[in-house]
Amino acid sequence: EVQIVESGGGLVQPGGSLRLSCGITGFTFRDYWMTWVRQAPGKGLEWVAIINQDVTSIHYVDSVRGRFTISRDNRKNSLYLQMNSLRAEDTAVYYCAKVGYFDYNFDYWGQGTLVTVSS
Amino acid sequence: QSVLTQPPSASGTPGQRVTISCSGSTSNIGSHTVNWYQQVPGRAPKLLIYQNNQRPSGVPDRFSDSRSGTSASLAISGLQSEDEADYYCAAWDDSLNGVVFGGGTKLTVL
Repeated sequence: EVQIVESGGGLVQPGGSLRLSCGITGFTFRDYWMTWVRQAPGKGLEWVAIINQDVTSIHYVDSVRGRFTISRDNRKNSLYLQMNSLRAEDTAVYYCAKVGYFDYNFDYWGQGTLVTVSS
Repeated sequence: QSVLTQPPSASGTPGQRVTISCSGSTSNIGSHTVNWYQQVPGRAPKLLIYQNNQRPSGVPDRFSDSRSGTSASLAISGLQSEDEADYYCAAWDDSLNGVVFGGGTKLTVL
């Protein structure tokens, strides 16, 4: 059974940093692209970042490029999102998801972790 | 303002067929398959349809999709109360080099 568990969310002041982690079991982590998607309170889904198996292809949404860094550790079956220079508009539930084989579909999702940026 | 455009709401009565549209452009829907996600309030999204009308295990065949040019549609036949949820379309965008989502459609079963 595939299990994806995010951690690391919390309350942070504007301009601060936070590192999200995502632990994976139930599939061969090193064989798949992985991604982060966020959802601001009461809003829709917004894709944040994506990374391929060997970290040779990484993409970000414009609003986080230069502030967020996606990374992975295939030995630890873990995905990360380092978030710096946080803004109020980054407040959201952050979901970690596995990317399936077909045209960037996200076939398994974690339960999400809430990041609140506020003074 | 989302890159993919969906109606904010849709509704139907049990047993009815409803459709949810998703409009994009040549750089996303016109070039890539559309994926559809279902999100029950308070829960994580779930993949509903992918790769031209494929359904993950457990998704009933009441759900189907179609695509024409730069638009796509999700159809739900035999509407059930458990279908009440938010529905999102998504696709890779070659111009933005990333995935774009629609704004979501809240489906109400009357």
